[in-house]
Amino acid sequence: DAKTTQPTSMDCAEGRAANLPCNHSTISGNEYVYWYRQIHSQGPQYIIHGLKNNETNEMASLIITEDRKSSTLILPHATLRDTAVYYCIVRSHSGSARQLTFGSGTQLTVLP
Amino acid sequence: GAVVSQHPSRVICKSGTSVKIECRSLDFQATTMFWYRQFPKQSLMLMATSNEGSKATYEQGVEKDKFLINHASLTLSTLTVASAHPEDSSFYICSAPRVGGPNNEQFFGPGTRLTVL
Repeated sequence: DAKTTQPTSMDCAEGRAANLPCNHSTISGNEYVYWYRQIHSQGPQYIIHGLKNNETNEMASLIITEDRKSSTLILPHATLRDTAVYYCIVRSHSGSARQLTFGSGTQLTVLP
Repeated sequence: GAVVSQHPSRVICKSGTSVKIECRSLDFQATTMFWYRQFPKQSLMLMATSNEGSKATYEQGVEKDKFLINHASLTLSTLTVASAHPEDSSFYICSAPRVGGPNNEQFFGPGTRLTVL
């Protein structure tokens, strides 16, 4: 699976959009971009994933650049409960029972 | 949605004790489950892959005789930390992929905090 690079930490004001970047310059054509988050002392939680088109669900939006070498997770209206470590993971769907490889992630702190 | 549970959520034990952690997929079957370990302020590290009906596969550096894995059924995997020592204190998390699901996502348990005195 391709390696990802994320900023170590970010702050965001409550109610504002949180934009979390991820670089995955070595991504291959069959690899998807997945985002998970981990609230302190809990298991990780799936947020969203995409291949090349932008995606949106009830939690977030995912913007993937045209060359697919980077992406941005957008939380449109951050709340205090969104404070967590956000992990950007690249993986292929083939053999979808494969494990996830977690990098260091981005610690997002939503400030009141 | 799919849920993965873990039991216990927290355990404190004396050095030399064996500790068993259960991981259950509650509304789907999982032929494969994963066990991760997370030390404070670090990321999740894969320890082993639990396979229903066959032996677990371990990541490099993980002692199979110390971290015993049994995938007893399609909804249950157990991790036993044999003769636990203080350095085994960590947050243990299991996950189960729902193969063929709409997002090919993995569902994670809430984790088990192990403290070895």
